[in-house]
Amino acid sequence: NAGVTQTPKFQVLKTGQSMTLQCAQDMNHEYMSWYRQDPGMGLRLIHYSVGAGITDQGEVPNGYNVSRSTTEDFPLRLLSAAPSQTSVYFCASSFAGEQFFGPGTRLTVL
Amino acid sequence: GQQLNQSPQSMFIQEGEDVSMNCTSSSIFNTWLWYKQEPGEGPVLLIALYKAGELTSNGRLTAQFGITRKDSFLNISASIPSDVGIYFCAGLKSGGSNYKLTFGKGTLLTVNP
Repeated sequence: NAGVTQTPKFQVLKTGQSMTLQCAQDMNHEYMSWYRQDPGMGLRLIHYSVGAGITDQGEVPNGYNVSRSTTEDFPLRLLSAAPSQTSVYFCASSFAGEQFFGPGTRLTVL
Repeated sequence: GQQLNQSPQSMFIQEGEDVSMNCTSSSIFNTWLWYKQEPGEGPVLLIALYKAGELTSNGRLTAQFGITRKDSFLNISASIPSDVGIYFCAGLKSGGSNYKLTFGKGTLLTVNP
């Protein structure tokens, strides 16, 4: 099992550009989530999904969209990147509350 | 939103020393989890606690689920340089299909050899 995979590992965007951060898991977990990690702020929940076709907002959803068409994939879209979205993004999938994290995507918005 | 108060924020210790960190909340949690994050990596689950009063060990790590269900602590005995990293606590409030975790802000551990 590859676990939770994320691509790309690093990305630099200009303000206003759009992009999609990819996340996939091969553990057949129903629950998936996206977090951002900023210095001194810990992990903050952006969006989550309890199964294919179902998504909901977390603590900091503004500026991000998600969809869940399959159990395996949970992409995170930035429609118009802003410098405030410079962060490290982690995807996680969960079985019985124990969340397993991907390696992260480090995003810089200039 | 819901907050977990994790302390201390950082620790600088000598190799061989024991370490203790804790998380407290004003709300009750059904599950407590402890994660470790190394530079450039995602958090890795260390210990999961499911029952109030539960004491669980994983090698040199010991964690306890507070009896009030509002706190948890993690101890590391006889620290070694590879224990360096950020340790996060996380609490889960509900069961069913909703596994929204609330995270503490982390404890940065530095171990001097």
